[in-house]
Amino acid sequence: AQSVAQPEDQVNVAEGNPLTVKCTYSVSGNPYLFWYVQYPNRGLQFLLKYITGDNLVKGSYGFEAEFNKSQTSFHLKKPSALVSDSALYFCAVRPMFSGGYNKLIFGAGTRLAVHP
Amino acid sequence: DTEVTQTPKHLVMGMTNKKSLKCEQHMGHRAMYWYKQKAKKPPELMFVYSYEKLSINESVPSRFSPECPNSSLLNLHLHALQPEDSALYLCASSQASPRDRGNEQFFGPGTRLTVL
Repeated sequence: AQSVAQPEDQVNVAEGNPLTVKCTYSVSGNPYLFWYVQYPNRGLQFLLKYITGDNLVKGSYGFEAEFNKSQTSFHLKKPSALVSDSALYFCAVRPMFSGGYNKLIFGAGTRLAVHP
Repeated sequence: DTEVTQTPKHLVMGMTNKKSLKCEQHMGHRAMYWYKQKAKKPPELMFVYSYEKLSINESVPSRFSPECPNSSLLNLHLHALQPEDSALYLCASSQASPRDRGNEQFFGPGTRLTVL
């Protein structure tokens, strides 16, 4: 079965400290990987994606993610967290054999809380 | 214009009502999506339109009826809904290409639906 796992329901970080939000995936073939952020009562905002090439991907608002094929992971990182980064973060994957070429599989989401 | 707009922002309806949700984008995207999202859960794909044709229906009950009148508009017609259909309904759009799976989706802010 194809799936995305975000093992942490919530991540707590002090402002100014580095943050990591974890994501692992299980899909057939080479995946396309995405991170989205959702603020309260809002839609999802695209942060970054991995398609091919460099394993370290840089995205919006200072976020980056590292693709690790051997560990099937795509963890989201930021060197210095801001209180305004507090939101719900979703990892998503579009597998090669999805049966529909525009279908995303979302993880359950991780709530990031950045404390002043 | 990199925005997906959705109307209304909030909708309260009875189980016998008929209502419609609307979504619009002017980014030239030819793939459009409807998602349902329950509180603190990831979005669940409902429908995908590609080049104004329905390409994915995720076994959604017939009380939800999508329509794509043109490449910029996407509607979701609602009839005889149940209280458990109360959720945030998200519209998204992306570039459409059968062989390119790396196109990120742009989400609207959603319509908060309450069924009484």
